[in-house]
Amino acid sequence: GQQVMQIPQYQHVQEGEDFTTYCNSSTTLSNIQWYKQRPGGHPVFLIQLVKSGEVKKQKRLTFQFGEAKKNSSLHITATQTTDVGTYFCIPNTNAGKSTFGDGTTLTVKP
Amino acid sequence: DAGVIQSPRHEVTEMGQEVTLRCKPISGHNSLFWYRQTMMRGLELLIYFNNNVPIDDSGMPEDRFSAKMPNASFSTLKIQPSEPRDSAVYFCASLPAGANVLTFGAGSRLTVL
Repeated sequence: GQQVMQIPQYQHVQEGEDFTTYCNSSTTLSNIQWYKQRPGGHPVFLIQLVKSGEVKKQKRLTFQFGEAKKNSSLHITATQTTDVGTYFCIPNTNAGKSTFGDGTTLTVKP
Repeated sequence: DAGVIQSPRHEVTEMGQEVTLRCKPISGHNSLFWYRQTMMRGLELLIYFNNNVPIDDSGMPEDRFSAKMPNASFSTLKIQPSEPRDSAVYFCASLPAGANVLTFGAGSRLTVL
């Protein structure tokens, strides 16, 4: 299936700092989804992006889809301890069939 | 809605024993997915069903694994015989027709000694 590179694999921040994770593909994507999995928890859907240049916000989270639809990012402003977990970007989801990569694991020091 | 219900939440068994994991999808969802998560391999899709029919089982690791969906409200994933390398968290997820967003259950943590 479609593979994307998600970076960084791990990120440790001080509470209040910003955080960004990036997904990069060598080919054009039809859509990209983001999920979050808390430690000991299950993946939870955050958002789906489908349009070139799309930007969506959820409180302190900002999601972007690149103009060429080959990359995406998730930015968290002023991280909180509740933001800890692994964030997955999933490319080209079709009828729910999703290929999860390694994700970016975020830890936040209070 | 109670969400996707999985049981048991935790199971510890000995090598060679049969393990059966259960999943009740969200009512009205017509697709069901089984995933396995380990530190080494991450989150892997094992098999998925559409309208109770297995569509893609290419992720099932070997013949010791089998999955069934006898009706729209119930699915099982069976491992027989179990081995220590099967230790993982097994997630079930479901999806309504025409949608593209998975809802995951809380998972079943399996430990094979």
